[in-house]
Amino acid sequence: EAQVTQNPRYLITVTGKKLTVTCSQNMNHEYMSWYRQDPGLGLRQIYYSMNVEVTDKGDVPEGYKVSRKEKRNFPLILESPSPNQTSLYFCASSSRQETNYGYTFGSGTRLTVV
Amino acid sequence: AQTVTQSQPEMSVQEAETVTLSCTYDTSESDYYLFWYKQPPSRQMILVIRQEAYKQQNATENRFSVNFQKAAKSFSLKISDSQLGDAAMYFCAYSRIQGAQKLVFGQGTRLTINP
Repeated sequence: EAQVTQNPRYLITVTGKKLTVTCSQNMNHEYMSWYRQDPGLGLRQIYYSMNVEVTDKGDVPEGYKVSRKEKRNFPLILESPSPNQTSLYFCASSSRQETNYGYTFGSGTRLTVV
Repeated sequence: AQTVTQSQPEMSVQEAETVTLSCTYDTSESDYYLFWYKQPPSRQMILVIRQEAYKQQNATENRFSVNFQKAAKSFSLKISDSQLGDAAMYFCAYSRIQGAQKLVFGQGTRLTINP
C-alpha cells in the first residue's frame, strides 16, 4: 500500500530534550515536506526537500532541523524542544511529475512539550 | 507571497442537505493548483477534490463540487446530500505549478452534520 509512515503518533517530552520524528514514504516521491498544524492557523510548512541532500526552509523553520540522506526518509529533529513547539505535525510527500494530484500525508504526530 | 483565507471557522448542516464552504486566495501567478482536504477526527488528511487553474470547468467528485472563480480568486466547496461521515475539518490549499514544493493552507472550517 502506498503510504507515508510517521512515528510516533503521540509524544510527550520535556523542554530541552532532543527528539526525532521519523517519516518514510514508499512511493519513490521526490518531494517531501513537514508541516505543523495549530488551531486557527491551518497547516504551515516547516521544511521541505526536493530530493536527496536537497532541503530548504519553509515558513516556520525556527527550532527545527531536517535531513534527507535517503529518498524515502525525511526525519524532523527538534534539538531543544520548547513549549511553543507543542503542535500536530504532518509529513507529506509528492511526485515531482504529479504535484497536481496533491500530497500524500502521514497520519500525524501529536507532540506535547512540557 | 500566496495566502489562503477561510472565513468560516465553523459550519453546520442538516443531514441530507447541501452546504458550501468558502475559500479565497491571493496570488500573482496565472497557473496554479487548488485543493480541498478533509481531516476527520482520525487526523488523516484526505484529498477531497482538486482544481487546475487553467481549466475553466469546475471539478466534481461525486457529492463534492467546487465553484472556481478565477478572477475573484474564490474556490468554494459544495457538499450535496450531506452525510454524517462528512463531519470533519476542511482545509483549502493552494500550490504553485512551477516549484510546486509547498501547499499553502487556509485556517480550516469545522463542519458539523446534524442528524
